Amino acid sequence: NAGVTQTPKFQVLKTGQSMTLQCAQDMNHEYMSWYRQDPGMGLRLIHYSVGAGITDQGEVPNGYNVSRSTTEDFPLRLLSAAPSQTSVYFCASTGGSYNEQFFGPGTRLTVL
Amino acid sequence: AQSVTQLDSQVPVFEEAPVELRCNYSSSVSVYLFWYVQYPNQGLQLLLKYLSGSTLVKGINGFEAEFNKSQTSFHLRKPSVHISDTAEYFCAVSGVGGFKTIFGAGTRLFVKA
Repeated sequence: NAGVTQTPKFQVLKTGQSMTLQCAQDMNHEYMSWYRQDPGMGLRLIHYSVGAGITDQGEVPNGYNVSRSTTEDFPLRLLSAAPSQTSVYFCASTGGSYNEQFFGPGTRLTVL
Repeated sequence: AQSVTQLDSQVPVFEEAPVELRCNYSSSVSVYLFWYVQYPNQGLQLLLKYLSGSTLVKGINGFEAEFNKSQTSFHLRKPSVHISDTAEYFCAVSGVGGFKTIFGAGTRLFVKA
């Protein structure tokens, strides 16, 4: 039982490049989320999904796309990277009846 | 809608001293409350949670938190901290029946020898 896995751990992009951050969970959780973490701002919700085929925007969705074709996978796509997207990105899945979240180890992204 | 305010961005404390990290929340519905801890260069992990019942909740590593409905607070406490408690602590709230979780900005706890 690996929990929530994220790849890559580190990534450097140039402005304008696109890429996909991968997230997978093996706990059969329906609800998954993507957050970005910036100093002094806590975690901000980018996008979330309540099940396969269903996604919705969070607090800071601009510049990001998501899809949820399976229960296990929830990739985050950066369409055209900007320096403002330099951040640490966390994927989480929510399980049980009480909304406990399980976090991946994070992806540290730098956009030059 | 819910919101969370962590009242201290940084808390320095000496080893073996007590500590309190403060958290206030607002919500128009019943909530679940959480404290998560993030050690350097790691993801977040659950420290403790309040769902219902007793207002004093005990978590891992000797931490506890008290839910105060009238003051809409959920402060985290530990009677004697260790160097290894140095980390960032996040208070979070989730509406009962919903899935969205709102996080506070975090409190960085520094434990000094």
